[in-house]
Amino acid sequence: KAGVTQTPRYLIKTRGQQVTLSCSPISGHRSVSWYQQTPGQGLQFLFEYFSETQRNKGNFPGRFSGRQFSNSRSEMNVSTLELGDSALYLCASRRTGVVVYQETQYFGPGTRLLVL
Amino acid sequence: AQSVTQPDIHITVSEGASLELRCNYSYGATPYLFWYVQSPGQGLQLLLKYFSGDTLVQGIKGFEAEFKRSQSSFNLRKPSVHWSDAAEYFCAVPTFGNEKLTFGTGTRLTIIP
Repeated sequence: KAGVTQTPRYLIKTRGQQVTLSCSPISGHRSVSWYQQTPGQGLQFLFEYFSETQRNKGNFPGRFSGRQFSNSRSEMNVSTLELGDSALYLCASRRTGVVVYQETQYFGPGTRLLVL
Repeated sequence: AQSVTQPDIHITVSEGASLELRCNYSYGATPYLFWYVQSPGQGLQLLLKYFSGDTLVQGIKGFEAEFKRSQSSFNLRKPSVHWSDAAEYFCAVPTFGNEKLTFGTGTRLTIIP
């Protein structure tokens, strides 16, 4: 069965622009989480969606937002891009959204965003 | 808050040699612990996880990890590495309401012939 897919895989934007990244979870998975990965800060949790509702949010400014659709696909949006937003954005899905240690979280290949 | 520390940023190992990657956790109770691997250009793949019970956990790709409460460690081991094991390895622990993972800073593994 197909894994988690993320589009686009690479993206170049300039400061001040906004960007939307897409994530399609594994079929049947209802929970989608987003992580930001940078060399300086490592992997940091952005937010998690379950059944179209944001359940948890990490410590990121309001410029970072997301949503989930009824088919569980998720998008994240970053407005007013800053140079520091350059990162690999990873999406992860799991089936039922119970506590994370009870079911495996599957990660997509990520979208690499470069802000110039 | 629960957290994990990976003290080694970069490790180089000869192909065929044994490997041990270190992970230390900070949490009073018995933690849940994970090891993930990220190959170049790929997302994260779960290698193994520890919940409770047997302190030696077997994972995929020939990896194992041992939970040692006395040392607050969950080190990843492999008896004989292959060139394809070159990747970045992350230790992780669930936090928040247990809906998210907190990752260590990662250890980059280089394999030399």
